[in-house]
Amino acid sequence: DGGITQSPKYLFRKEGQNVTLSCEQNLNHDAMYWYRQDPGQGLRLIYYSQIVNDFQKGDIAEGYSVSREKKESFPLTVTSAQKNPTAFYLCASSIPGRGPETQYFGPGTRLLVL
Amino acid sequence: AQSVSQHNHHVILSEAASLELGCNYSYGGTVNLFWYVQYPGQHLQLLLKYFSGDPLVKGIKGFEAEFIKSKFSFNLRKPSVQWSDTAEYFCAVNPNTGGFKTIFGAGTRLFVKA
Repeated sequence: DGGITQSPKYLFRKEGQNVTLSCEQNLNHDAMYWYRQDPGQGLRLIYYSQIVNDFQKGDIAEGYSVSREKKESFPLTVTSAQKNPTAFYLCASSIPGRGPETQYFGPGTRLLVL
Repeated sequence: AQSVSQHNHHVILSEAASLELGCNYSYGGTVNLFWYVQYPGQHLQLLLKYFSGDPLVKGIKGFEAEFIKSKFSFNLRKPSVQWSDTAEYFCAVNPNTGGFKTIFGAGTRLFVKA
């Protein structure tokens, strides 16, 4: 089955710790995205990557970092600098340059800071 | 700044009632428009999209949306809802500038009473 996998489903973090959320896709998509979903605020873009070894900041990149060393993988690190990290994180991918971009989403990771 | 407004955060309907969810966006140029849906426990997925041509777009499960350029609107409709339509619905806009940024609305939670 082609799709996007995110792990873990739930993640608990102590204050001051960095944590890394995994996102893997086997859709052969060039573009990948990380969103944060908070109640009543919809999805807000954290980072996106159009191609391997390239990524751009989204609207709320502060306190987050990413890497894109492989086409299939786009891990997100939530650093201790992120002041309010408790949220639901969604990874997505798309094929850029072919009309309106439909994004394909993973199941999400819920991060809770203790 | 570009934004997407969804008028209702929560909607409760009885089965067979008609549905209309409002969506307005602020961007003066050409846009690609989407409605995504997140059923309980499932991935966010595409419901329908518009990029050109007939402003009345039909999607899956009997949903349709009408693009009214003069009103900057892309409202979602369904003539008769079912209990299985209970979900959260997100309107999204991608300015057709070749960029990768899609802006999402805050979402509307629909609950259909059986």
